[in-house]
Amino acid sequence: DQQVKQNSPSLSVQEGRISILNCDYTNSMFDYFLWYKKYPAEGPTFLISISSIKDKNEDGRFTVFLNKSAKHLSLHIVPSQPGDSAVYFCAASPSGTYKYIFGTGTRLKVLA
Amino acid sequence: EAGVAQSPRYKIIEKRQSVAFWCNPISGHATLYWYQQILGQGPKLLIQFQNNGVVDDSQLPKDRFSAERLKGVDSTLKIQPAKLEDSAVYLCASSPPRGVGTEAFFGQGTRLTVV
Repeated sequence: DQQVKQNSPSLSVQEGRISILNCDYTNSMFDYFLWYKKYPAEGPTFLISISSIKDKNEDGRFTVFLNKSAKHLSLHIVPSQPGDSAVYFCAASPSGTYKYIFGTGTRLKVLA
Repeated sequence: EAGVAQSPRYKIIEKRQSVAFWCNPISGHATLYWYQQILGQGPKLLIQFQNNGVVDDSQLPKDRFSAERLKGVDSTLKIQPAKLEDSAVYLCASSPPRGVGTEAFFGQGTRLTVV
């Protein structure tokens, strides 16, 4: 039972353009959502998060949008840079648990 | 600030052998997690500790996997006996006390190959 889904295994974007990574979830008890970035042979690195009481959080080039009614969140990267090429994981935490449930990841390739 | 330390980085064993992984979390982090990441999949939570107590081990295959966190700091994860399907990257993560922050910080992982 995959509670956090990333339906696009890969995405290619030109340098300077916008990258949009999507994530869907099924559990309405999730109240905190995170995005992690992972380079080969390294552990995931925290990127940005959003609480369920918000619908948008921005940090520099990275913006996360949350649509609770659709149980959907997205990560926007503008402008995309070659160094952004990595696997991006969406994660969600059920209320009060501090437990993180991960999606399967989307491999982003930013073309120079 | 030092990150989450894990060792070894790589391990190759034969099936039915045993193996142990070690994790040292970030100083002051009360919560420690062990995740299993199989190739092409997202990290799957195996066990979550709060200090030295287990919060969630519902997805830990307890017939072969065990984990402990002594004195609420370092942790070890053991597999005995290993199966071919245990080949994966084992990630340790830690997170700050509740109310201070909510993201988990990951180590580099241990890549286990069972042959």
